[in-house]
Amino acid sequence: DIQVTQSPSSLSASVGDRVSITCRASQNITSYLNWYQQKPGKAPRLLIYAAFTLQSGVPSRFAGGGSGTDFSLNVSDLQPEDRATYYCQQSFTSPITFGQGTRLEIK
Amino acid sequence: QVQLQESGPGLVTPSQTLSLTCSVSTDSINNGSYYWNWIRQPAGRGLEWIGRISSSGSTNYNPSLKGRVSISIDTSENQFSLRLISVTAADTALYYCARHKSARLDYWGQGRLVTVSS
Repeated sequence: DIQVTQSPSSLSASVGDRVSITCRASQNITSYLNWYQQKPGKAPRLLIYAAFTLQSGVPSRFAGGGSGTDFSLNVSDLQPEDRATYYCQQSFTSPITFGQGTRLEIK
Repeated sequence: QVQLQESGPGLVTPSQTLSLTCSVSTDSINNGSYYWNWIRQPAGRGLEWIGRISSSGSTNYNPSLKGRVSISIDTSENQFSLRLISVTAADTALYYCARHKSARLDYWGQGRLVTVSS
């Protein structure tokens, strides 16, 4: 299985800040990396697919990057509604695997 | 807007079989472009992919479930189902169904909590 490791596991930032979450795959997954946002009590929501493509309806404050084994999710101009847990997920090969999640708190 | 809805028992006895169904609306489950997935999430923990099925019935499963899982599809009813046998307390989780299109999980159900307990 391809392991996907996220960091940090949690972070706290203020409204208006820019934050970055990283995801590292255990082998080359080219651009088969997606990012999801999960708010408490809700299902995950697709934010970014194919490493950097913004899903329809997602604010442009969210941006993805990277390829191969190292990826990032950047959130600029942080808003209170961005409080959530973020997951990366590789779809290069089965079984699909998720990162362990990054909990984002807003100060 | 595609909608998925999980249904099934919320309580399962240890060693018995967990069965859930996902009903898909406003989209044809028969579309060969999609895979239909099950994912679970224990309380306070991360996401675990269980498996998926295509409209033709082709399946992929997570080896971590050691052959306990099967997924089936009913195109006439526009739904697909999950069966997990020999359940234990470790199978207690929120179970989600989701559509897989072009290597991404773009639509999810709201989730169904299943508790394994006697």
